[in-house]
Amino acid sequence: EIVLTQSPGTLSLSPGERVTLSCRASQSVSSSYLAWYQQKPGQAPRLLIYGASSRATGIPDRFSGSGSGTDFTLTISRLEPEDFAVYYCQQYGSSPLTFGGGTKVEIK
Amino acid sequence: EVQLWESGGGLVQPGGSLRLSCAASGFTFSSYALSWVRQAPGEGLEWVSDISGSGGSTHYADSVKGRFTISRDNSNNTLNLQMNSLRVEDTAVYYCAKVGAGGYYFDDWGQGTLVTVSS
Repeated sequence: EIVLTQSPGTLSLSPGERVTLSCRASQSVSSSYLAWYQQKPGQAPRLLIYGASSRATGIPDRFSGSGSGTDFTLTISRLEPEDFAVYYCQQYGSSPLTFGGGTKVEIK
Repeated sequence: EVQLWESGGGLVQPGGSLRLSCAASGFTFSSYALSWVRQAPGEGLEWVSDISGSGGSTHYADSVKGRFTISRDNSNNTLNLQMNSLRVEDTAVYYCAKVGAGGYYFDDWGQGTLVTVSS
């Protein structure tokens, strides 16, 4: 099983700041099969990025993903008020499918 | 617009059973794999099970294997999860999720249904 470790656990930031979230895998994720999700309190997760760097339909271009192998990054170029949420990574390159523990982005 | 609507959650005693359903619309149902993903209170996301578009292939997390059964009815656009021998640690919000066209990521989610296992 591939274990995904997200860091940091919590980030305290201000609107307008740039944020970089990390997702590290315990072994290589094949074909960069790595996705990112955003989840707000009381809501279902929303797909942001798949294939490590492809934005999902309707996702603003301030969200970008990068990485390969065992190290992946989600970058938000300029935080908007609606971006404060928890972010999860997920690998789908091998079974079982696994998620990271999440990074909470909170308002400073 | 894709819509997924879960139902069937509730309170059940340890050792009991529950059947979750997910009604889908807005896409060609039989063309897509579907999955159940759960989230314990205050915790992260955990993949539970998935099923291919035809229903001929299924997979389960080790934590539920032998206790949960996933199925689908392509004539009624419905996904199901039969949960038996429920444990306290199965308490969670259960989400129905549509698998993406390019791999087993989840591009649409239902609103979730809460399952509470408690005596």
